This record gives sequence, structure tokens and C-alpha cells, in this order.
Amino acid sequence: QSALTQPASVSGSPGQSITISCTGTSSDIGGYDSVSWYQHHPGKAPKLMIFDVTNRPSGVSNRFSGSKSGNTASLTISGLQAEDEANYYCSSYSTSVTVVFGGGTKVTVL
Amino acid sequence: QVQLVQSGAEVKKPGASVRVSCTASGFIFATYLIPWVRQAPGQGLEWMGWVTTDNRSTNYAENFRGRVTMTTDLSTNTAFMELRSLRSDDTAIYYCARQWSLNNFDPWGQGTLVTVSS
Repeated sequence: QSALTQPASVSGSPGQSITISCTGTSSDIGGYDSVSWYQHHPGKAPKLMIFDVTNRPSGVSNRFSGSKSGNTASLTISGLQAEDEANYYCSSYSTSVTVVFGGGTKVTVL
Repeated sequence: QVQLVQSGAEVKKPGASVRVSCTASGFIFATYLIPWVRQAPGQGLEWMGWVTTDNRSTNYAENFRGRVTMTTDLSTNTAFMELRSLRSDDTAIYYCARQWSLNNFDPWGQGTLVTVSS
């Protein structure tokens, strides 16, 4: 059982927006502004899409955005494209100087 | 180009040990942490721990304490992860990454498949 809770799957049509939630506790998401999101295509290395809750690394499309409220973080993908179909993982810094991941969300573009 | 290149796939018997390497290039190795993360078949990502590149400090996830050792070699910009007393449920893809700030892993290595089977 993962420390952070994500929906197993989310789907949307091309051009639509989808949001993936990631729920933790006050010991991780709620206690630190240190939530990251990773895109993972099977067989490839995970890719950092959002860091420190809302920031995008250079080269990541502005269609990806992050937010946080209380113990829940969210990743929104706007203008959904076929290439966005992948697994997405949230992670958070946690007390005891550890890192916790969510169980992953499979995004399907219909 | 910033990249991490990992060693090749391994097949091990239960009870054996495995050592995976991760060689960095394109950045100053000594200024980052190197975390290790694994993904078992059909499962999500699992954080295993991290090592400072000067080898002065490690922090292992509770699930792996006593079985894992993470080290680095500054002379070759290489990090190593050794997992001992392997079990079938250690079958997974093992990733290294470059860590900056508290929780940001970028980039990641290509992954190393470790298969534990009798």
C-alpha cells in the first residue's frame, strides 16, 4: 500500500482537461511545499513534470500544472494530447527525511 | 548533456546479492544526492533511499534497512546500490536519479532489471 493515494486511472478525450489527485497527510503533502509529479511511459525512465508543487522544469509543456490544498496535491493536464498517455506518479517529502510516492495513475486518451 | 547510465540486467538466485551501478555525466556529481527507486512488476514506484556523493551520509527506507548499502565513487562519478538476501519479490526495475532540493529527481537513469529466480 502506497503512502500517497492516487486514482488508479483517469481518462479524457483529446483537447479536454483532466486532473489527477494525490492525497497524503500532514506529515508529507500537508507539511511541506515539496510535491513532485512524474510522467512514466513503460520501458522508459520517469520524467519530472512538476516540482515544488507548482513549478515546471525547463522544457515541460505549460499544459501541465500543479497545485495543493491541505493534504491533497493535484496535477492538471489541459489540452490533452495522445502523447500524454502514460502513468503519472506524485511524490512528497516526508518527515524522517524520507520520500513517499503515490501508487500511480494511468492516464488514457480516448 | 546531463545523464545517468546504469549497468545491465541481472539474474540472481534467492539469497544472493546484486550490485547496480549508475554513472553520471554532464554535471558536477559532488553537489547532489543520488536516490534509488524501484518498480516491481505491475506496481508503483518505491523509494529505497539516498546517498550523498561524498559517502558521508545515507538514508534508507525502513523496508530496506539492513539489506541495502548505497555508496558512491567520486573518482568515476558512479553510484552503487547493493541489495542482499534477495527474494523473489525483489524482482523489479531499479532506478537511480539525481536529486536536488528535498524531493526532486531529475534526470533518472534508464533502469536496471533485476530478476530473482531459482
